Amino acid sequence: GAVVSQHPSWVICKSGTSVKIECRSLDFQATTMFWYRQFPKQSLMLMATSNEGSKATYEQGVEKDKFLINHASLTLSTLTVTSAHPEDSSFYICSAPGGGKTQYFGPGTRLLVL
Amino acid sequence: GQQLNQSPQSMFIQEGEDVSMNCTSSSIFNTWLWYKQDPGEGPVLLIALYKAGELTSNGRLTAQFGITRKDSFLNISASIPSDVGIYFCAGGPNFGNEKLTFGTGTRLTIIP
Repeated sequence: GAVVSQHPSWVICKSGTSVKIECRSLDFQATTMFWYRQFPKQSLMLMATSNEGSKATYEQGVEKDKFLINHASLTLSTLTVTSAHPEDSSFYICSAPGGGKTQYFGPGTRLLVL
Repeated sequence: GQQLNQSPQSMFIQEGEDVSMNCTSSSIFNTWLWYKQDPGEGPVLLIALYKAGELTSNGRLTAQFGITRKDSFLNISASIPSDVGIYFCAGGPNFGNEKLTFGTGTRLTIIP
């Protein structure tokens, strides 16, 4: 199956700093990628849709100025959590549509804001 | 955001037992996907369903796309220790390569 990678796999930062998370499709191109957030013992909640060459589309309740998304190329999307606070601590997962009619998920990035 | 209702929320079974879980929605989806998530990892696709009424198998796993397009179930036969994890259903509006709505998850634990 198609492979999606994320970097870093985990990050610890101080409150008020910004953190960038990368999502890469390794063996296929993706004009669209999706960013999800998962709190402990909860399900995945879609945050935004990343579109190559255009602005991201954010889900209701997600602050676009806080969660900056840049789809720099057909294989890379980045999520930057700006001015991170402890409540932003979560597991961030990206996905990308692979060949066919499904999509593949990255391994996730665990963010801990102190 | 919307979530799909999954049941049961958790299951404790013995190795070798069969498992059944389901997922329901108040709205129609044209694609149903089942994923398994291990701790600290991303979801891994198990089965994809694209047609109402479709019954699909993948080894010991069998899943069905409900005829109303508002539900799906997943069965696991003869469970083994590596089946432990959290199972999520996900509904897609069209083909599954668009944004997905996830279920609340079913946590499977196997008792030695």
